Amino acid sequence: NAGVTQTPKFRVLKTGQSMTLLCAQDMNHEYMYWYRQDPGMGLRLIHYSVGEGTTAKGEVPDGYNVSRLKKQNFLLGLESAAPSQTSVYFCASREVGGKETQYFGPGTRLLVL
Amino acid sequence: SQQGEEDPQALSIQEGENATMNCSYKTSINNLQWYRQNSGRGLVHLILIRSNEREKHSGRLRVTLDTSKKSSSLLITASRAADTASYFCATDPSGGYNKLIFGAGTRLAVHP
Repeated sequence: NAGVTQTPKFRVLKTGQSMTLLCAQDMNHEYMYWYRQDPGMGLRLIHYSVGEGTTAKGEVPDGYNVSRLKKQNFLLGLESAAPSQTSVYFCASREVGGKETQYFGPGTRLLVL
Repeated sequence: SQQGEEDPQALSIQEGENATMNCSYKTSINNLQWYRQNSGRGLVHLILIRSNEREKHSGRLRVTLDTSKKSSSLLITASRAADTASYFCATDPSGGYNKLIFGAGTRLAVHP
């Protein structure tokens, strides 16, 4: 099993450009999450999904959109990137019931100029 | 806003010594979890302690939880250079969906 994978690993954007970050998991997990991590801080929840076709806002959702069209994929979109969105983005997933732990991807480093 | 506050922010010790990290939080929780992050990598789950538990062990890890003080501690015994990483506590508030709230983390450096 690959676990949780994220693409791309690194990206540079100019202010105003758009992009989509892809998260994929092969563990058949129901719940998926997008976090951002800024220097010296812990992770903050952007959006999450509790199943295919569902999404909900987290702590810092502004400027981001998400979609969960397939159970194994969770997409994070930036419609008009801003320098404040420079960060490392992590995706995570967990199963319903069972272990209440989250499995994290390796992260996507995004620089907005 | 971040619920978990960790102390110390950074810790430097020698191999073989014990490392203790503390975490405080503000609201009621379902459970509290500790994660480890190696530089430039994703987070890896270490241990989970439920709100009705006071202490839990896993290998060289010992976690305590005091819900009356809203605090937790992570003890790593007999530390190794490979334990060098950042350690984060994450609270799972009551209410479902496991929306974890992370602290800012403790950066641990273990010197050979």
